[in-house]
Amino acid sequence: NAGVTQTPKFQVLKTGQSMTLQCAQDMNHEYMSWYRQDPGMGLRLIHYSVGAGITDQGEVPNGYNVSRSTTEDFPLRLLSAAPSQTSVYFCATGREPNSPLHFGNGTRLTVT
Amino acid sequence: QKEVEQDPGPLSVPEGAIVSLNCTYSNSAFQYFMWYRQYSRKGPELLMYTYSSGNKEDGRFTAQVDKSSKYISLFIRDSQPSDSATYLCAMKTEYKLSFGAGTTVTVRA
Repeated sequence: NAGVTQTPKFQVLKTGQSMTLQCAQDMNHEYMSWYRQDPGMGLRLIHYSVGAGITDQGEVPNGYNVSRSTTEDFPLRLLSAAPSQTSVYFCATGREPNSPLHFGNGTRLTVT
Repeated sequence: QKEVEQDPGPLSVPEGAIVSLNCTYSNSAFQYFMWYRQYSRKGPELLMYTYSSGNKEDGRFTAQVDKSSKYISLFIRDSQPSDSATYLCAMKTEYKLSFGAGTTVTVRA
């Protein structure tokens, strides 16, 4: 039982490149979400999903896309990376929207 | 103004001391209140979860919620070096969590 698995753990991109951050869970949780964590800013919600086929924007969605084709996977796509997207990204899941969240161990992204 | 305010610290205490952490909030719609612990280079893990005013105890941890003052606290009794981490308060309404910026705590042996 792995819980929430995020890949890769580290990534360096050049400005303008695109990439996909992967998140997979084996807890059969309906709710999945992406956060970014920046010093002094706390965790900020990027996008979330309440079930397969359903996604919605969070607090800071610009520059990111998501899709949810299965219960298990919730990838986050950076369309054209910018230095402002340098951050630590966390995927978090919950049994349902109001349940406590389980976090992965993060992807540390640097955009140069 | 942020919805959730948390003193970033850092806080350094000797082993065995009581650690007191606080958050204030401005949104009256918050219904659920949580504390997460985050070790370096790890994801946050849930410590305490409550939805009512008052105190909730779990071992050495006590969470306190005062909805009338929009104030929550976490107390750690008999602190241990293994409690050294960043503590995040979080509050929830509908589908979204709002987090404090986190307080970094170091417990000195």
